[in-house]
Amino acid sequence: GENVEQHPSTLSVQEGDSAVIKCTYSDSASNYFPWYKQELGKRPQLIIDIRSNVGEKKDQRIAVTLNKTAKHFSLHITETQPEDSAVYFCAAMKTSYDKVIFGPGTSLSVIP
Amino acid sequence: GAGVSQSPRYKVAKRGQDVALRCDPISGHVSLFWYQQALGQGPEFLTYFQNEAQLDKSGLPSDRFFAERPEGSVSTLKIQRTQQEDSAVYLCASSLSGDTIYFGEGSWLTVV
Repeated sequence: GENVEQHPSTLSVQEGDSAVIKCTYSDSASNYFPWYKQELGKRPQLIIDIRSNVGEKKDQRIAVTLNKTAKHFSLHITETQPEDSAVYFCAAMKTSYDKVIFGPGTSLSVIP
Repeated sequence: GAGVSQSPRYKVAKRGQDVALRCDPISGHVSLFWYQQALGQGPEFLTYFQNEAQLDKSGLPSDRFFAERPEGSVSTLKIQRTQQEDSAVYLCASSLSGDTIYFGEGSWLTVV
């Protein structure tokens, strides 16, 4: 089955700097890649997603890139703010109406 | 409702006790998922329903775990004879479109 790996497990950046989280997946049939942000004690919330027919997607300070050949995808957060501090999960899904498989998470700390 | 609703939010069970966790998905959402999230880990897939049909239960860790969605709306995850390793947050999620999933706040289970 699908396996999603994520690096780094923890990341600490200064406020205003950029943060990059990288993920790899194993199943070449996967074609939907969402990213979730989870604050302590809260539910995971979708922040951005990308489908396999697109190489890059941007939403304000957040961008995601996808390399299907290498089975890599990455989350980029620019101009980080303290409220960006949370655990971020990447995920992969093969087809619509299928299960979503999550990576182990990256704990991001933004230092004021 | 406005979002995925789960109850109870917090449950303390004595080892050996049976528990039932309820999920009320977003109205009209066809797909419903259960995930288990241990402390410091990513959500681990348990089972998936499309309407009332349980299409995938490959993630259920043992035959002590059982899920149902008899009318295609509310779902219940039942854990029989709870053990300490069952302590985790149980997240329910639902989806309308077949890919983007929306999580509930989770049911925090502690087995003592």
